[in-house]
Amino acid sequence: GAGVSQTPSNKVTEKGKYVELRCDPISGHTALYWYRQSLGQGPEFLIYFQGTGAADDSGLPNDRFFAVRPEGSVSTLKIQRTERGDSAVYLCASSPGLGPGELFFGEGSRLTVL
Amino acid sequence: GENVEQHPSTLSVQEGDSAVIKCTYSDSASNYFPWYKQELGKRPQLIIDIRSNVGEKKDQRIAVTLNKTAKHFSLHITETQPEDSAVYFCAAIPYSSASKIIFGSGTRLSIRP
Repeated sequence: GAGVSQTPSNKVTEKGKYVELRCDPISGHTALYWYRQSLGQGPEFLIYFQGTGAADDSGLPNDRFFAVRPEGSVSTLKIQRTERGDSAVYLCASSPGLGPGELFFGEGSRLTVL
Repeated sequence: GENVEQHPSTLSVQEGDSAVIKCTYSDSASNYFPWYKQELGKRPQLIIDIRSNVGEKKDQRIAVTLNKTAKHFSLHITETQPEDSAVYFCAAIPYSSASKIIFGSGTRLSIRP
């Protein structure tokens, strides 16, 4: 596709449920990032992939959060036992991966935990 | 790790006036400094960036200046227009690590007609 695609765009779930958020990066981009953005805040780093491996997962808040990128393209962010505090917009971004450069963001997945 | 502070958090200027947003960073190894604009309900988009080998970069009404000694950089928007209303984020990234890209907390810019 032409840009970074994220699905679902909106997800409403109940406390304690499991959710998966999907990111399809720009074709050929080796670097993929997940961020979380709460209302009125800047994007908060969660995890970074270079290819298939999680090069830096130091931003994941706890072990309920996990992300994979098995084939070096599509990534899935997985949240177990959701809590109300997990409600936020989850942004995915990709870049060519050749050193620091422009991040291309998706439109985000808005997660609401009731 | 890198720490980026941004101010002001909100800024209101008269249409046609200039706006300045400032960021400071902590890691002296940082050498890439992008600025992103996020309109309400939209994705962040890069508007301008600067690398440490230059002190200033300009693109039409937007300019960024960098002071590596003081570890701060600024976004300047001249002749502001209503479409400049948005939230602006800065970031500072060391060349050695394009991984954990830390953004500032954002500045909400409002342009008064």
